[in-house]
Amino acid sequence: AQSVTQLDSHVSVSEGTPVLLRCNYSSSYSPSLFWYVQHPNKGLQLLLKYTSAATLVKGINGFEAEFKKSETSFHLTKPSAHMSDAAEYFCVVSVMKTSYDKVIFGPGTSLSVIP
Amino acid sequence: DAGVTQSPTHLIKTRGQHVTLRCSPISGHKSVSWYQQVLGQGPQFIFQYYEKEERGRGNFPDRFSARQFPNYSSELNVNALLLGDSALYLCASSLLAQPEETQYFGPGTRLLVL
Repeated sequence: AQSVTQLDSHVSVSEGTPVLLRCNYSSSYSPSLFWYVQHPNKGLQLLLKYTSAATLVKGINGFEAEFKKSETSFHLTKPSAHMSDAAEYFCVVSVMKTSYDKVIFGPGTSLSVIP
Repeated sequence: DAGVTQSPTHLIKTRGQHVTLRCSPISGHKSVSWYQQVLGQGPQFIFQYYEKEERGRGNFPDRFSARQFPNYSSELNVNALLLGDSALYLCASSLLAQPEETQYFGPGTRLLVL
């Protein structure tokens, strides 16, 4: 079975300071991992994805994430937060070898950016 | 290019009724997935279809069903609606049905069951 844990339901940072959103996963198979962002009243947008190539993945808007198999983690970081980063962030696990629960979203982390 | 489109945008139904939600994928995409997002929670996977065949299913009751048409558009049907079915229903399309595929999400259909 697959599962995703996002360790913080809400993170608040000051503009210009680093962002860290934590994600741990559990999977019986080698998963593909994603981070999606959802701005208020807007659709989900892909930030970045890991698909068994480089363990450090760079995404849009300065975000990056590092896949650590030993820690089963895929934390999302950004060196300097911008006001426009305020949104809901979802960590996602996707596997191929099961036909049930192929895609699992985490519960989400709400990011607030203080001016 | 048009993104994923969903209709209707909003819907109000009463308990026990039936609802059909529609999704048109991005041109060239052959896979469509459906998700339910209850307020304050992450999306939950309902179905994935590829080339008109079901390729994945989440933990939802048989009241939920879906199909994909030859033009790759899709319908999600929910029978015997319950209050707990009130949610944002998201459709996502991808080129294929591989786990590493990026999914492109539509704006969703907001369903309210009274």
